[in-house]
Amino acid sequence: SQKIEQNSEALNIQEGKTATLTCNYTNYSPAYLQWYRQDPGRGPVFLLLIRENEKEKRKERLKVTFDTTLKQSLFHITASQPADSATYLCALDNNNDMRFGAGTRLTVKP
Amino acid sequence: EAQVTQNPRYLITVTGKKLTVTCSQNMNHEYMSWYRQDPGLGLRQIYYSMNVEVTDKGDVPEGYKVSRKEKRNFPLILESPSPNQTSLYFCASSLSQGVGQPQHFGDGTRLSIL
Repeated sequence: SQKIEQNSEALNIQEGKTATLTCNYTNYSPAYLQWYRQDPGRGPVFLLLIRENEKEKRKERLKVTFDTTLKQSLFHITASQPADSATYLCALDNNNDMRFGAGTRLTVKP
Repeated sequence: EAQVTQNPRYLITVTGKKLTVTCSQNMNHEYMSWYRQDPGLGLRQIYYSMNVEVTDKGDVPEGYKVSRKEKRNFPLILESPSPNQTSLYFCASSLSQGVGQPQHFGDGTRLSIL
């Protein structure tokens, strides 16, 4: 069956460090992979999209990699700030449906 | 402002009492979807709609109904709610299904069925 795993439920890091979140999947062939941010009491908000034929995508302090051989995406936040504290969800899109991971709760401590 | 609006935001009700959660989007999106979010399980799709009058089941449709009479509205109906439907519900919309279209989410409806 299809499975999406995000590395851990929670990740705590110090301000200024790089946060790295992992999204692994099995039995799925996504054409696109998206990352969303979710704050408490709010709906997920789209951050970045990467296509299956792209290795890396950047947007300001965010970087996403996509390795279809390893079936893995890494999401990096450089120079992290307390305001980056949130839950981050990966979503796999194979043009027929979109499936979400359970999310990783990131806490950036000052 | 482009948005997806859900109502109510919070609801506590009892088993068997029919309820409707409304969802409206102002972006002229064709695709709309309902998800439920439970701890450790992530977002699971309940129903989706590719366009007006076109709806289809997602992964967990049992106990739910939807309708899409107008492009902007996509209500979720629980005809006879049960405690296992206690959850956080999200409505989402996108320009179309697939081709990497990002989804826009409402702020959620927290339902408690006693």
